[in-house]
Amino acid sequence: NAGVTQTPKFQVLKTGQSMTLQCAQDMNHNSMYWYRQDPGMGLRLIYYSASEGTTDKGEVPNGYNVSRLNKREFSLRLESAAPSQTSVYFCASSEEGNTIYFGEGSWLTVV
Amino acid sequence: AQSVTQPDIHITVSEGASLELRCNYSYGATPYLFWYVQSPGQGLQLLLKYFSGDTLVQGIKGFEAEFKRSQSSFNLRKPSVHWSDAAEYFCAVGSGYSTLTFGKGTMLLVSP
Repeated sequence: NAGVTQTPKFQVLKTGQSMTLQCAQDMNHNSMYWYRQDPGMGLRLIYYSASEGTTDKGEVPNGYNVSRLNKREFSLRLESAAPSQTSVYFCASSEEGNTIYFGEGSWLTVV
Repeated sequence: AQSVTQPDIHITVSEGASLELRCNYSYGATPYLFWYVQSPGQGLQLLLKYFSGDTLVQGIKGFEAEFKRSQSSFNLRKPSVHWSDAAEYFCAVGSGYSTLTFGKGTMLLVSP
C-alpha cells in the first residue's frame, strides 16, 4: 500500500544544474500536485494537474516545469537550479473533494 | 482569494493538558476544511476533514475540530495531549472546484 512515492529523497545540486523529481501514486487519483515547504511559509503550490494531460500553475511556478506522464506519474523539473529553490518538495494526489494525500518529501539543497 | 490564518506559530502544552489550535479561513463559498499533522522529516498526514453536515468532526489520534461559520473558524482540539503529539499542524481550506490553500502551520511542543 505505497500511496504516493517520490524520488529522490535527498539531493544536492550545484547552481545551474538541472534535475527531475519523480512522483507516482497508486490510488487511481485524477489530481496530482507539487508543493514546496519552507520554514515559516507553510506549503505553497508549485504546479498541479487536475487530470491526465492537463497541468496548471500554482502560487510559485517560476523556475519549474512539470509533466503529467500518465495518470500515475507527475514529475517536477528544475531546468537551472538556484539557491532560492533549496526546499522540501512534496508530491501529492487527491480524490474527489480535495482530500490530499502526500508523499514523504524530497529534500533539495542548491549550493 | 481563499486564505488561511493560523495565529499561533508555536504552542507549548503540558502532557495531559487539553489543546486547542486555532484556524481562521477566508473563502467565498462553503469551504472544505482540513487539518494535517507533520512529524519531523515526514510528509503530511490527514487528521480530519469537514465537507458538510455535523460541524463537530472527529479525526484520528483523538483529535476533533469544530466548524463555526459565523466566526470563519475551524479550531482543532484534543482533551489530553500525549508527548507523541508534538509535531507541526497545518489547517487548509478548499472546495471541490479549487486547490487547497494551507496555513503557515503551528508547531506544538509538549512539556513533561
